[in-house]
Amino acid sequence: AQTVTQSQPEMSVQEAETVTLSCTYDTSESDYYLFWYKQPPSRQMILVIRQEAYKQQNATENRFSVNFQKAAKSFSLKISDSQLGDAAMYFCAYINTGTASKLTFGTGTRLQVTL
Amino acid sequence: GAVVSQHPSRVICKSGTSVKIECRSLDFQATTMFWYRQFPKQSLMLMATSNEGSKATYEQGVEKDKFLINHASLTLSTLTVTSAHPEDSSFYICSALTHRDTQYFGPGTRLTVL
Repeated sequence: AQTVTQSQPEMSVQEAETVTLSCTYDTSESDYYLFWYKQPPSRQMILVIRQEAYKQQNATENRFSVNFQKAAKSFSLKISDSQLGDAAMYFCAYINTGTASKLTFGTGTRLQVTL
Repeated sequence: GAVVSQHPSRVICKSGTSVKIECRSLDFQATTMFWYRQFPKQSLMLMATSNEGSKATYEQGVEKDKFLINHASLTLSTLTVTSAHPEDSSFYICSALTHRDTQYFGPGTRLTVL
């Protein structure tokens, strides 16, 4: 079974600084997708970024970028120029394209942004 | 990104009554939707996969007769919590699957059973 591990329960970053959230996963599949979702206090799950496993290029979305290391099964999220609105719970997630598109979530990392 | 709505956002009901939660994909068609439950300070727990025009697939340990799912159209799935009890109180979230194997989530429904 696939597993997703987020080893940092909580992280803190100062406004305008950069922070990296870690995620590792375990799979024997070669074709899959990886995601980072953000859940602010409103509890709405928001898609932050998506990475296809077959792509070597790291995905970026404005201030958000990933470091995808397929051989190491690592998928970290870097948030640059952190803003107060980035404070949220961040979940790393995995989909194997052959498993009816079910998401496997990590346990989440709570990010605090301080002034 | 794709937009998914969920209604109601909050509901309070008496023990023994049934509650229906709607999940709609607003700007795309979704043959597959998912229903999750989230306990405080925990990750999402998948309850069932809802497929348009067919029976839902439930995860192990989820009671089919308690959590009725109907996916009658390409934009609407409903979750009915039947004979609700206080232990059913939780945050329920739906998601809709796009053609790019990406799930977009609704804003969630907080259910409180008295």
